[in-house]
Amino acid sequence: NAGVTQTPKFRILKIGQSMTLQCAQDMNHNYMYWYRQDPGMGLKLIYYSVGAGITDKGEVPNGYNVSRSTTEDFPLRLELAAPSQTSVYFCASSFTGVGQAFFGQGTRLTVV
Amino acid sequence: DQQVKQNSPSLSVQEGRISILNCDYTNSMFDYFLWYKKYPAEGPTFLISISSIKDKNEDGRFTVFLNKSAKHLSLHIVPSQPGDSAVYFCAASVDNAGNMLTFGGGTRLMVKP
Repeated sequence: NAGVTQTPKFRILKIGQSMTLQCAQDMNHNYMYWYRQDPGMGLKLIYYSVGAGITDKGEVPNGYNVSRSTTEDFPLRLELAAPSQTSVYFCASSFTGVGQAFFGQGTRLTVV
Repeated sequence: DQQVKQNSPSLSVQEGRISILNCDYTNSMFDYFLWYKKYPAEGPTFLISISSIKDKNEDGRFTVFLNKSAKHLSLHIVPSQPGDSAVYFCAASVDNAGNMLTFGGGTRLMVKP
């Protein structure tokens, strides 16, 4: 049972480039989330989804887009990378709400 | 404006002693509180939670205390073990569905053998 899988684990982007962070879960969870964690800070919610076809903004959605076409996958898209998006990104999923969410291992993104 | 604050960035404790991690919040609408533990290069893992209708919840060596009037919660680990060395995050939500968790900045706990 893989749980929540994030790819890639590390990435360096140039300013203005775009990329998609992948997230997949095999637990049949309805809820999925994307967080970012800046150095020395707590996690901040970027976007979340309560089921396939439904997404909503979190606390820091600017510069990101998401889609949820299946229960399993919840990709996060960065269209025009900026240095302020340098962070560690965590995807999470839960059955009834993030109270006991399962997190992926994270993607460390550096924008130069 | 940080709604959830962990004012101690780090804490060092001797093995076998008690570790007390503190968390303060400002939003009186928060109704559900959680603690997550995070090891380096891993995602956070859920540790323990408490609803606002309770003032204490216990799970093995871990106990969370909630003081709603003071808007304060704490995590007690007794006895502390070297494997408990990690970053601990406090988080809060306005309901127990927890769709919009607000996290504190974390406290790094080091348990010395």
